Amino acid sequence: DVKVTQSSRYLVKRTGEKVFLECVQDMDHENMFWYRQDPGLGLRLIYFSYDVKMKEKGDIPEGYSVSREKKERFSLILESASTNQTSMYLCASSLSGYPSYNEQFFGPGTRLTVL
Amino acid sequence: GQSLEQPSEVTAVEGAIVQINCTYQTSGFYGLSWYQQHDGGAPTFLSYNGLDGLEETGRFSSFLSRSDSYGYLLLQELQMKDSASYFCAVRDKGTGANNLFFGTGTRLTVIP
Repeated sequence: DVKVTQSSRYLVKRTGEKVFLECVQDMDHENMFWYRQDPGLGLRLIYFSYDVKMKEKGDIPEGYSVSREKKERFSLILESASTNQTSMYLCASSLSGYPSYNEQFFGPGTRLTVL
Repeated sequence: GQSLEQPSEVTAVEGAIVQINCTYQTSGFYGLSWYQQHDGGAPTFLSYNGLDGLEETGRFSSFLSRSDSYGYLLLQELQMKDSASYFCAVRDKGTGANNLFFGTGTRLTVIP
């Protein structure tokens, strides 16, 4: 059974803290993604990676960075957490190539609250 | 830029049929995908249409008309467990990478 796991389901941090969100997939997928989900705004792409050590900015990269040192692991970093980064963070992965990339597999999400 | 429009909410009766529409505006169209997300859960892939026409998977069907820049998800014999949010998605433009652009979602409520 394919699986994407995220390090925490719930996280509470203070403003200004550095926050690490970890995502691991066991499907040998080339592509990995980080989204944030807020009510009424759908899924917004923060960063994605199509290979080890490769990263691309999504639609809302400001205030975030990422790291992909191994194929199975994709980390999202909030350099200095702010209250407007309180959100649900979803990690996903997919194979490359058409049409496989249309099927993304999502982790359970991390609900981050920044106080 | 690109955009996806879908209704924010739909309510339907158990046992009935419901259609969730999605219109898109994007450069370099590569097909339309649909995802389901239950409250508190992760999005899960439902279907993909790369060509015009209807794709059927059990009680769910998805339709695409590229000439109209329009697609829909059709849910038949609605069950209470179909209450969820449904997202349409297209491949994002121009990057050459395999990321998707998601609509804002349609919240389906199935009532007895």
